[in-house]
Amino acid sequence: DSGVTQTPKHLITATGQRVTLRCSPRSGDLSVYWYQQSLDQGLQFLIHYYNGEERAKGNILERFSAQQFPDLHSELNLSSLELGDSALYFCASSSLAGVRTGELFFGEGSRLTVL
Amino acid sequence: GQNIDQPTEMTATEGAIVQINCTYQTSGFNGLFWYQQHAGEAPTFLSYNVLDGLEEKGRFSSFLSRSKGYSYLLLKELQMKDSASYLCAVRASILTGGGNKLTFGTGTQLKVEL
Repeated sequence: DSGVTQTPKHLITATGQRVTLRCSPRSGDLSVYWYQQSLDQGLQFLIHYYNGEERAKGNILERFSAQQFPDLHSELNLSSLELGDSALYFCASSSLAGVRTGELFFGEGSRLTVL
Repeated sequence: GQNIDQPTEMTATEGAIVQINCTYQTSGFNGLFWYQQHAGEAPTFLSYNVLDGLEEKGRFSSFLSRSKGYSYLLLKELQMKDSASYLCAVRASILTGGGNKLTFGTGTQLKVEL
């Protein structure tokens, strides 16, 4: 158990819909990251938040948005869903030392299936 | 941007040693990382190298040559539980404002056989 909690674990929805994925980081970690993992693309960086502020952005689609709240939990919002958005979405957190060492603690992921 | 290459699959025998290679091209460099991911599970951190040389941690070692854009992960005394995907990741730099972006390769699926 990494200490990072993600909900829901599984989600099935239809094209055009909107979903929200939630992440609670490890106690004390201020950094939260979102990654998308699909079979053909591997693990793709989406976004990094630190203490409520966006710090780095990857190739995140405009249909996707994220935020980190004052209690440090984070949400990833995916809208106008397409079939190609079906993937495993991981949240990870790190301590300040972890930012240097690259040690990220990943949650178990939210598997999104778009039909 | 970054480009990371690693073999797609490897097979090795229990008790043996296996070396998983990773080559990368990046503008700027601030660390190379190895993660292990069992099927259906989250990636877990194994090691990081920021300077050239070998870092040893138990049965696992990781090597980096920055001039060659090359790293390898060495697994000794292989066990069946080592069957997993091994992900090489690179960080181009600590981004302005403290952004921390790891770019992952597609992973090497290691199968350990009896």
